[in-house]
Amino acid sequence: DVKVTQSSRYLVKRTGEKVFLECVQDMDHENMFWYRQDPGLGLRLIYFSYDVKMKEKGDIPEGYSVSREKKERFSLILESASTNQTSMYLCASSSPSLSGGTEAFFGQGTRLTVV
Amino acid sequence: ELKVEQNPLFLSMQEGKNYTIYCNYSTTSDRLYWYRQDPGKSLESLFVLLSNGAVKQEGRLMASLDTKARLSTLHITAAVHDLSATYFCAVAGASGYALNFGKGTSLLVTP
Repeated sequence: DVKVTQSSRYLVKRTGEKVFLECVQDMDHENMFWYRQDPGLGLRLIYFSYDVKMKEKGDIPEGYSVSREKKERFSLILESASTNQTSMYLCASSSPSLSGGTEAFFGQGTRLTVV
Repeated sequence: ELKVEQNPLFLSMQEGKNYTIYCNYSTTSDRLYWYRQDPGKSLESLFVLLSNGAVKQEGRLMASLDTKARLSTLHITAAVHDLSATYFCAVAGASGYALNFGKGTSLLVTP
């Protein structure tokens, strides 16, 4: 059974804190992604990575950074959390090219509240 | 900029009825993905459509792809309450790796 596991289901952090969201996949996928999901806005891509130590900005990278030191693990970092980063964060992974027809598999999500 | 538009965004339908959700996208692509999300849960892959004219069916759901019109449809036949969920379509962006999602269609099936 394929699995993408996010380290926390719920997280509450204070404004200004540095926040780490961790994601691990066991499918040996090259690609990994971080999305945030907000009501009425759907899913928006924050960052993605197509290989270890490689990263690409998505549509809304401001205020975030990522780290991929190992193939199976992709971390999202909020350098200084702000209330407008309160959201549901979804991690996903896929094999090399989605244009080749393989879908992305999603983790269970982390609901982050910044107070 | 790649745009993926779904309509309707909200749909309330009675059990037993049929309906279609539409997904338009702005780039040339022959790959389209449908996902389902239950409240409080993550996204589950429903269909992967890989070419023009592709049609896939699973139970009461059928998805199709017209790449020339840049349109995919998700047709619901004889809806049942268990189909209540949010449905997303997605298209791979310029990188070929990352998916761009529509805003989702929130479906409620009532008795």
